[in-house]
Amino acid sequence: QKEVEQDPGPLSVPEGAIVSLNCTYSNSAFQYFMWYRQYSRKGPELLMYTYSSGNKEDGRFTAQVDKSSKYISLFIRDSQPSDSATYLCAMGGFNAGGTSYGKLTFGQGTILTVHP
Amino acid sequence: ETGVTQSPTHLIKTRGQQVTLRCSSQSGHNTVSWYQQALGQGPQFIFQYYREEENGRGNFPPRFSGLQFPNYSSELNVNALELDDSALYLCASSLPSGTNTGELFFGEGSRLTVL
Repeated sequence: QKEVEQDPGPLSVPEGAIVSLNCTYSNSAFQYFMWYRQYSRKGPELLMYTYSSGNKEDGRFTAQVDKSSKYISLFIRDSQPSDSATYLCAMGGFNAGGTSYGKLTFGQGTILTVHP
Repeated sequence: ETGVTQSPTHLIKTRGQQVTLRCSSQSGHNTVSWYQQALGQGPQFIFQYYREEENGRGNFPPRFSGLQFPNYSSELNVNALELDDSALYLCASSLPSGTNTGELFFGEGSRLTVL
């Protein structure tokens, strides 16, 4: 079993739709959670970062973490064609000194297409 | 502020050859990590370098090796290339220890094709 499982999609939605992307994880040592966006032939770029259960909102994006269920989600409201990309969930942990291990464990990615 | 830069962007090698990929970290970042991203998959952690020493390694064989230089730039070397090594190789840098929140800043990658 993989440490991080991501709904692979792909997803195709009309412009303006609400998009829900999801990941589950099995490693309780994960303490911070991220969503990266990766455009074709580009490196991943950070969208959202959170380390606590609950919701975090940034514009049209909301990241949700449920540590008890080991489940994270990313919601995109009013989706735009420019949101078309691969979305990767990623997770990591801190060592005893409070510094991150530097290793992120990624899901396999979900390809999202928003059509006009 | 200069971001993470990688070279070359694309390269083609044959099985059994060796390859060196290069990375310049973002200004002020002293930690560099390398990831392998196969087609249709998420990035997989290869290793991390901090203060010119390997500081964590993923499940990759010893033919994957690296270096970090005093200016924090880094190299990834892969010997005895195999067909399955074909992938996008991503370099990521992160903030200095003590301020490191775990956020990684990625370059655009080097796409390696092994024939």
